[in-house]
Amino acid sequence: GDSVTQTEGLVTVTEGLPVMLNCTYQTAYSDVAFFWYVQYLNEAPKLLLRSSTDNKRTEHQGFHATLHKSSSSFHLQKSSVQLSDSALYYCALREGGYQNFYFGKGTSLTVIP
Amino acid sequence: GALVYQYPRRTICKSGTSMRMECQAVGFQATSVAWYRQSPQKTFELIALSTVNSAIKYEQNFTQEKFPISHPNLSFSSMTVLNAYLEDRGLYLCGARVLDYEQYFGPGTRLTVL
Repeated sequence: GDSVTQTEGLVTVTEGLPVMLNCTYQTAYSDVAFFWYVQYLNEAPKLLLRSSTDNKRTEHQGFHATLHKSSSSFHLQKSSVQLSDSALYYCALREGGYQNFYFGKGTSLTVIP
Repeated sequence: GALVYQYPRRTICKSGTSMRMECQAVGFQATSVAWYRQSPQKTFELIALSTVNSAIKYEQNFTQEKFPISHPNLSFSSMTVLNAYLEDRGLYLCGARVLDYEQYFGPGTRLTVL
């Protein structure tokens, strides 16, 4: 079945340095969309990025991701992290139509001074 | 903009009792609502996907008998946790979906079971 695999566990990055959170997927569907959600402490997840177009870079709030169907990846990147970027990040895949969202297990990003 | 409200935000119930939680979409018509549970140290577990005027689809390990859902219109859904026990604790999120594949999460209802 469909699945999403993320960099697991805790990622710690020093403020001002770049970060990449990995996301790879498996799907049998061609009509799919991909999402990154960010969840701050004690808050609900919020949509950060979305894409369904191969090889097209998507950007928001300094983060960017490019869907690469050839490698089944949708990695999240930022060139210079801030302390306020510390949060849980979830990669998700949605099948076409009213089908399921498949979430990765989440990556906890901690930015240190 | 699209907003999703959930009520209550926090609730505590005694083991074996039931509690009902609500999800309200404001500013858009949610074609379907997904209910998730986020347990401690776990990712999202999809409980069920509810589409107005269609049968509610429950995921494996979740049943209508345990998590009955009502979805009377395009802006409101409710779910009850019947006979709640310790393993039912967690953050219950509703994700309201629109036709262009977006899913907007509510703030969640945090359930504590004593």
